[in-house]
Amino acid sequence: EPEVTQTPSHQVTQMGQEVILRCVPISNHLYFYWYRQILGQKVEFLVSFYNNEISEKSEIFDDQFSVERPDGSNFTLKIRSTKLEDSAMYFCASSESGAGGETQYFGPGTRLLVL
Amino acid sequence: GDSVTQMEGPVTLSEEACLTINCTYTATGYPSLFWYVQYPGEGLQLLLKATKADDKGSNKGFEATYRKETTSFHLEKGSVQVSDSAVYFCALSDGSSASKIIFGSGTRLSIRP
Repeated sequence: EPEVTQTPSHQVTQMGQEVILRCVPISNHLYFYWYRQILGQKVEFLVSFYNNEISEKSEIFDDQFSVERPDGSNFTLKIRSTKLEDSAMYFCASSESGAGGETQYFGPGTRLLVL
Repeated sequence: GDSVTQMEGPVTLSEEACLTINCTYTATGYPSLFWYVQYPGEGLQLLLKATKADDKGSNKGFEATYRKETTSFHLEKGSVQVSDSAVYFCALSDGSSASKIIFGSGTRLSIRP
């Protein structure tokens, strides 16, 4: 069964450093998402992406964050200058369409630790 | 804005006990409702969903019915197993294009043998 993959599974970085989290969505899916889950808290939406554009972003997704689909298979989340509070599990998801009832398929997550 | 409220955990049950995890939502319009499950060390998996009022989603012995009148989507299972131990998230998405999923805070379920 097709699945969403994410790399790396764990990343440790120093505050102020740039990180890039990578995702390979399911191949025929057109909509892509990033979510994050701070330890012990709820899963929060960051951004949705379709047709090489951001469709929607949350208040969390400020100028330090960016997303890109560089080569038609990968979907990346970049944090330019990491802060301690960026430490979280980051989930990528994809869906075939963006319809409200459409299932979003989640990757296993990247655990980011900012020191 | 839209939101999801679910019962706080942890919930600890013995094997073969009945399970109910309560979930209520606040939304404008007609959201779709989901239950996602997160097994230890793994990502989020869709457990079941319902896209309109009175729909019942079911999977792996779990059920939830979309109740518009009570704005609820409670998760139920008649006989839980040790392998059901996980964190369960109630969630909704609105009808807009590329619609985000809004999650509840999660309920940790532990099943004793």
